[in-house]
Amino acid sequence: GAVVSQHPSRVICKSGTSVKIECRSLDFQATTMFWYRQFPKQSLMLMATSNEGSKATYEQGVEKDKFLINHASLTLSTLTVTSAHPEDSSFYICSAWRTEAFFGQGTRLTVV
Amino acid sequence: QKEVEQNSGPLSVPEGAIASLNCTYSDRGSQSFFWYRQYSGKSPELIMSIYSNGDKEDGRFTAQLNKASQYVSLLIRDSQPSDSATYLCAVPVSGTYKYIFGTGTRLKVLA
Repeated sequence: GAVVSQHPSRVICKSGTSVKIECRSLDFQATTMFWYRQFPKQSLMLMATSNEGSKATYEQGVEKDKFLINHASLTLSTLTVTSAHPEDSSFYICSAWRTEAFFGQGTRLTVV
Repeated sequence: QKEVEQNSGPLSVPEGAIASLNCTYSDRGSQSFFWYRQYSGKSPELIMSIYSNGDKEDGRFTAQLNKASQYVSLLIRDSQPSDSATYLCAVPVSGTYKYIFGTGTRLKVLA
């Protein structure tokens, strides 16, 4: 199956700093990628749709100025959590759609 | 607001038994349905997809779909302790690739 690689798998950052998470489709081109967030014991919640060469589409309640998404190529989308706070600590997962959704390994973000 | 609902569990079954996981969805226009398995701290992995009414079997797994009742289920036969995980039902919003996930059902298979 198609492979989606996400990096880093874990990151700890200080409150107020920014963190960038990368999502790459390794063996196919993805014009659209998706970013999800998952809090403990909860399901995946879609944050935004990342579109290659255009602005991301954010779900209701997601701050676009806080969660910056860049999809500069057909194989790479990045999510930057700006001015991170402890409440942003979560599991962030990207996916790319080919014939089905393929998920990255996820990034565990801890803001201290 | 499109919704996908699952019983959060935990659902406990003895090893070798059949585990039955259920999911209902609100979008009548949905055409495809997916079951994912997620181990703690890991990303979801696809178990089954189903597009037509009826049953679809793959090894120990059987997905069942009833579009009239807006209901999709997953049966796991001969359950193993390694099947212990959270099972997520996912339904794309009709006309898009955006997945709406259910809350997931935590399955425990007791050895």
